[in-house]
Amino acid sequence: SQQGEEDPQALSIQEGENATMNCSYKTSINNLQWYRQNSGRGLVHLILIRSNEREKHSGRLRVTLDTSKKSSSLLITASRAADTASYFCATVDNDMRFGAGTRLTVKP
Amino acid sequence: NAGVTQTPKFRVLKTGQSMTLLCAQDMNHEYMYWYRQDPGMGLRLIHYSVGEGTTAKGEVPDGYNVSRLKKQNFLLGLESAAPSQTSVYFCASSPLGRNQPQHFGDGTRLSIL
Repeated sequence: SQQGEEDPQALSIQEGENATMNCSYKTSINNLQWYRQNSGRGLVHLILIRSNEREKHSGRLRVTLDTSKKSSSLLITASRAADTASYFCATVDNDMRFGAGTRLTVKP
Repeated sequence: NAGVTQTPKFRVLKTGQSMTLLCAQDMNHEYMYWYRQDPGMGLRLIHYSVGEGTTAKGEVPDGYNVSRLKKQNFLLGLESAAPSQTSVYFCASSPLGRNQPQHFGDGTRLSIL
């Protein structure tokens, strides 16, 4: 069963804009991970944030975690057409469970 | 460095047929996983392995069997294929525990008619 739920389900923006995707979950977690999936390919790990961390950065990616609200957000700054993909959050307690994903389209 | 390789990439089966999906990793990872991905749903864990010779059930194991005879290979078998098993199957591996980042193959697209 899914643990994380991404919002929105789909997002379309222009190149250069920022993209924000959210993930909500229901139970306590050990860590939360974000993955990217290009069309027809496997998932690629982007970033892991532990339950005692509030924010992490990796290049143009910024992830926040609010355990009191049981939510996380992924911000992609200065988006590029190559960022077009589906983005999944995975919540980790004893198991890793994936949400249904946000489909991001970046128009050139 | 190939990472995680899945074969075949596509397959069409008739109901009742059997087949085996192969996953190979060259990263010397201990943990390996099989997932299925269906439209509108996240990945669901079918079976996993914490090391050579071990297997364990995931969230949706019914209708599938697995084997890990060699550390680098993880096989997923469908004993008697059903239309409900039409899906995209992903294999993944991780060096340490199940809570660590996983490396994925590019999937096997399986259709059961």
